[in-house]
Amino acid sequence: QVQLVESGGGMVQPGRSLRLSCAGAGFSFSSYALHWVRQAPGKGLQWVALMSNDGSQTSYANSVRGRFTIARDNSKNTLSLEMHRLRSEDTAMYYCASGRIVPVLEYWGQGTLVTVSS
Amino acid sequence: DIQMTQSPSSLSASVGDRVTITCRSSQSISSFLNWYQQTPGKAPKLLISTTSTLQSGVPSRFSGSGSATTFTLIISSLQPEDFATYYCQQGYSTPFGFGQGTRLEIK
Repeated sequence: QVQLVESGGGMVQPGRSLRLSCAGAGFSFSSYALHWVRQAPGKGLQWVALMSNDGSQTSYANSVRGRFTIARDNSKNTLSLEMHRLRSEDTAMYYCASGRIVPVLEYWGQGTLVTVSS
Repeated sequence: DIQMTQSPSSLSASVGDRVTITCRSSQSISSFLNWYQQTPGKAPKLLISTTSTLQSGVPSRFSGSGSATTFTLIISSLQPEDFATYYCQQGYSTPFGFGQGTRLEIK
């Protein structure tokens, strides 16, 4: 059974940093591309970042490039998202997702909520 | 960046109805179009990949078609569990943007 479990969310002040993690199980983790997708309260889905299965390729949404860093550790089946200089508009549920085919988000975690507020 | 636009934004329908949701891209994305379903409080679920490939376990009343810039998701006979929000997503080039969503409500 495929599982993706996010953690690390919480409330943080604007300008501060936060690190999200996602643990994968039940699938060949190192064969899958991994993504972060977020959803602001009551809003639609926004794709945030991608890392290829071997970690050689990354891509970011314009709104987070230079502030967020995606990383993975295939030996531990984990994905992370380092978020710096957080803004109120970064407030959202953050989902990790995986796919054998890079642009197809096949499996999703249940999300971790990030709230940026003073 | 490629912009994705869904229509309608919301839709009221009855059990048994046939429903069509349209997704348009601002430039050609070939067949790199995926559809997701999200129910309140839950994570999205992949329904259809690459325009028309139904995912394992997804009922056959769901189908997808289209190419280039115009795509459709059809639900042939609505069931109670289908009332949800549907999103298209382009997989042609990063950033892999989503449409704004179509909320399907019970009439």
